[in-house]
Amino acid sequence: DTGVSQNPRHKITKRGQNVTFRCDPISEHNRLYWYRQTLGQGPEFLTYFQNEAQLEKSRLLSDRFSAERPKGSFSTLEIQRTEQGDSAMYLCASSPPTGTNEQFFGPGTRLTVL
Amino acid sequence: KNQVEQSPQSLIILEGKNCTLQCNYTVSPFSNLRWYKQDTGRGPVSLTIMTFSENTKSNGRYTATLDADTKQSSLHITASQLSDSASYICVVSLRMDSSYKLIFGSGTRLLVRP
Repeated sequence: DTGVSQNPRHKITKRGQNVTFRCDPISEHNRLYWYRQTLGQGPEFLTYFQNEAQLEKSRLLSDRFSAERPKGSFSTLEIQRTEQGDSAMYLCASSPPTGTNEQFFGPGTRLTVL
Repeated sequence: KNQVEQSPQSLIILEGKNCTLQCNYTVSPFSNLRWYKQDTGRGPVSLTIMTFSENTKSNGRYTATLDADTKQSSLHITASQLSDSASYICVVSLRMDSSYKLIFGSGTRLLVRP
């Protein structure tokens, strides 16, 4: 499967715990995006990487959230001291360096904070 | 403010029937408009992508239209199937210097009944 992959697919955690999600983009896609999606809403932009550089962060990305893409390939999104309001689907997408910036989405990680 | 609004919010149709979903946007500078299909618990999958100069684009039983003057788009589904049950998200790409930003609608939830 050469699509975008995300792990884990589901995560249940207790409030106050830290969680980390991983995204593996499509090979040779240098752009990587993280989104958050709550029930009945479209995805909301969180952050964007071009290669290993984090070029943009949404104001939604509070100081409890941190994303990395150390080698310009896979990326991780960490949420510290989780809150119930963090419960959502976290989507990763990647796009190639040229063209219309079509983004290919992964299956998402569903986070439930109890 | 850059916004994408979709209607209806939800729709129920009988298998075999046609339907049309609407999208209005106020995004500038406009780059392209995409329709995504998102199955429950999965990531969005691209159906069509249209640039400013394209009025219509088809992908099997899905036909998207774009009127750049009125800033409206529609997605027409012909001869619906049970597997068409999903959320359909309209996404407008905003050109920003050397990058793009996607503005997502909140989606139309379609249920196809036998």
